[in-house]
Amino acid sequence: EAGVAQSPRYKIIEKRQSVAFWCNPISGHATLYWYQQILGQGPKLLIQFQNNGVVDDSQLPKDRFSAERLKGVDSTLKIQPAKLEDSAVYLCASSSLRGTGSYEQYFGPGTRLTVT
Amino acid sequence: KQEVTQIPAALSVPEGENLVLNCSFTDSAIYNLQWFRQDPGKGLTSLLLIQSSQREQTSGRLNASLDKSSGRSTLYIAASQPGDSATYLCAVRRTGRRALTFGSGTRLQVQP
Repeated sequence: EAGVAQSPRYKIIEKRQSVAFWCNPISGHATLYWYQQILGQGPKLLIQFQNNGVVDDSQLPKDRFSAERLKGVDSTLKIQPAKLEDSAVYLCASSSLRGTGSYEQYFGPGTRLTVT
Repeated sequence: KQEVTQIPAALSVPEGENLVLNCSFTDSAIYNLQWFRQDPGKGLTSLLLIQSSQREQTSGRLNASLDKSSGRSTLYIAASQPGDSATYLCAVRRTGRRALTFGSGTRLQVQP
């Protein structure tokens, strides 16, 4: 099966500009996640969708970050305006219920954002 | 709040050595634990998933153990190879949630 797709792979912007990332999950996966991974740290959850509804966005900086998942498939994460500390890799993951009862997550290659 | 710690932060070993990576978590109410591999500039590849009712999982040269009561997991890599060089991340899923909480990873370098 095709994996999680993300674009763009790299993005360089100046602070105060806006940027958007796109994610296409594995076909049939109802749950979609966006994680932020700052250099030298583990990924941190930003937002979790179940179909097109938000399940958890408690760690999303809502004054500048927004995300949507229209039609319960693709998702877009936006930052406006960007700050220097937003420089990170943004990872998208998806999951569905498996026969083992687990929701094993599959990750995309990520988008590396550099804010100058 | 769940916290996940990985020790050591970095490790360099000669090829052929057996090695152990450690992961500890503060909240024992976990549903499962996953070990991932991350190569530079790449996403995460799942290596092993251990359900909370299991004690260990094996895949090839990899063996992961879980002691939920003490909040610990170990990843054992047998006969290490230069191709094993990567960052290894431990992540736990809390009961009732699907999102993962990650450690900061162990950066492994296997010298030929």
